[in-house]
Amino acid sequence: AQSVAQPEDQVNVAEGNPLTVKCTYSVSGNPYLFWYVQYPNRGLQFLLKYITGDNLVKGSYGFEAEFNKSQTSFHLKKPSALVSDSALYFCAVRPLYNQGGKLIFGQGTELSVKP
Amino acid sequence: GAVVSQHPSRVICKSGTSVKIECRSLDFQATTMFWYRQFPKKSLMLMATSNEGSKATYEQGVEKDKFLINHASLTLSTLTVTSAHPEDSSFYICSARKLGQASSYNEQFFGPGTRLTVL
Repeated sequence: AQSVAQPEDQVNVAEGNPLTVKCTYSVSGNPYLFWYVQYPNRGLQFLLKYITGDNLVKGSYGFEAEFNKSQTSFHLKKPSALVSDSALYFCAVRPLYNQGGKLIFGQGTELSVKP
Repeated sequence: GAVVSQHPSRVICKSGTSVKIECRSLDFQATTMFWYRQFPKKSLMLMATSNEGSKATYEQGVEKDKFLINHASLTLSTLTVTSAHPEDSSFYICSARKLGQASSYNEQFFGPGTRLTVL
């Protein structure tokens, strides 16, 4: 079965420290990979995506993610966390031959950045 | 830009009534819109895929007679929760794919969500 896993329900980071939010996937072929952020009572905002090319993808708000094919991972990173980064983060994948463009979402990771 | 709106943002209704939620792509045309349901601090559960001019495709376990979807135009899809009950209370989010967007691109643009509370 195709799936996405975010192994940490919550990540706590001190402001100014680097942060990592983990994502691994299990899909056939090479998927398209996405990260979204959700603030309380809001919809999802797109952060970044990997389609092809350079494994390190840079996105909005200083976030980046690295595609690692051998480890089937797409971890989200930021060199220096801000309190305003506190939110719910979702990793999503679209299998290469997925009809209809459906996305498979991870269960979400709540990021808490303390001053 | 690619802005998706939802209306209403919040609705409270009595058990047994029906509620309609609108999803609009404001500055682009959308061939496909998706409807998701999200429980508190949980992942998004895809309910159905809505294609303009055709019937929606529902995910397994989602009652199509309970959650009616109409994709009347390239900028509007509606979700009607019929005979709502307290267990239907949730956060409903729609997303849209741009018309003409290469299938490999597949970036979905999300609406802000609708909080439904059924008393």
